Amino acid sequence: KAGVTQTPRYLIKTRGQQVTLSCSPISGHRSVSWYQQTPGQGLQFLFEYFSETQRNKGNFPGRFSGRQFSNSRSEMNVSTLELGDSALYLCASRSGTGSPGELFFGEGSRLTVL
Amino acid sequence: QKEVEQDPGPLSVPEGAIVSLNCTYSNSAFQYFMWYRQYSRKGPELLMYTYSSGNKEDGRFTAQVDKSSKYISLFIRDSQPSDSATYLCAMSAFPGGGADGLTFGKGTHLIIQP
Repeated sequence: KAGVTQTPRYLIKTRGQQVTLSCSPISGHRSVSWYQQTPGQGLQFLFEYFSETQRNKGNFPGRFSGRQFSNSRSEMNVSTLELGDSALYLCASRSGTGSPGELFFGEGSRLTVL
Repeated sequence: QKEVEQDPGPLSVPEGAIVSLNCTYSNSAFQYFMWYRQYSRKGPELLMYTYSSGNKEDGRFTAQVDKSSKYISLFIRDSQPSDSATYLCAMSAFPGGGADGLTFGKGTHLIIQP
C-alpha cells in the first residue's frame, strides 16, 4: 500500500513570494492534517481536512491556508513568505472514521525562504 | 511549562542495550499516545499507538502509559545501530488530534553505538 506522498520535496523561495505544497494521502484515508516542523518549535499543528472541509485549525496566521479535493488530495498554501516560514512541512493522513486515530506522515516538503 | 516535555539528548548507548525513552505531560485530557521515529531528513514513522493507560508490546518495542503520573515511556530491547534516530512522543485528547491536533514532544536523539 503506497504511503503518504508529498511534493515537492525541496523548494527555495524568497521573502514575499507564495508557495503551494501538495499531499496525496494513503488510499482510502479521508482525513489529511498538516504540520510544520522547525528545530526551535518542533512539530506544530496547522490544520486538518476531512471530506473537503477544514475540520480543525492550529494557531497560525491567515497566510497559511489549505484545501482538500474530492479525491482526498490536499494542498496547503503560504502567502507573503517570511524568513521564519522556513521549515519542514509534513502531511499526515488517517482513515478518519472513529478509532483508531493513527496518523501516518509523509516525507515532508522542505521549504527554505531566503 | 510546556504541555509535553521530552529530553532532547543525545542519548548514546551500546548496541544490544535496553533503551528507555520518556515524556511527561501536563494535560490530563490526553488519552491517545503515540511514539514516532524520525530519521534525518525523513518524515516521522509511527512506531506505537496506545489508548489510555497500560502497556503495549510490538517486537522489540514496548510502550507504557501511566496517566496517574502523566508519564509515558518507550522501551527498545536489543537495540541496533539502525535504531539510531530521533524519537518523538505525541498525544491528544481525541483520535487523530482533534481541535489542537497532536501535541508533540521535541524529540530525543538516540545513538546506538556498534
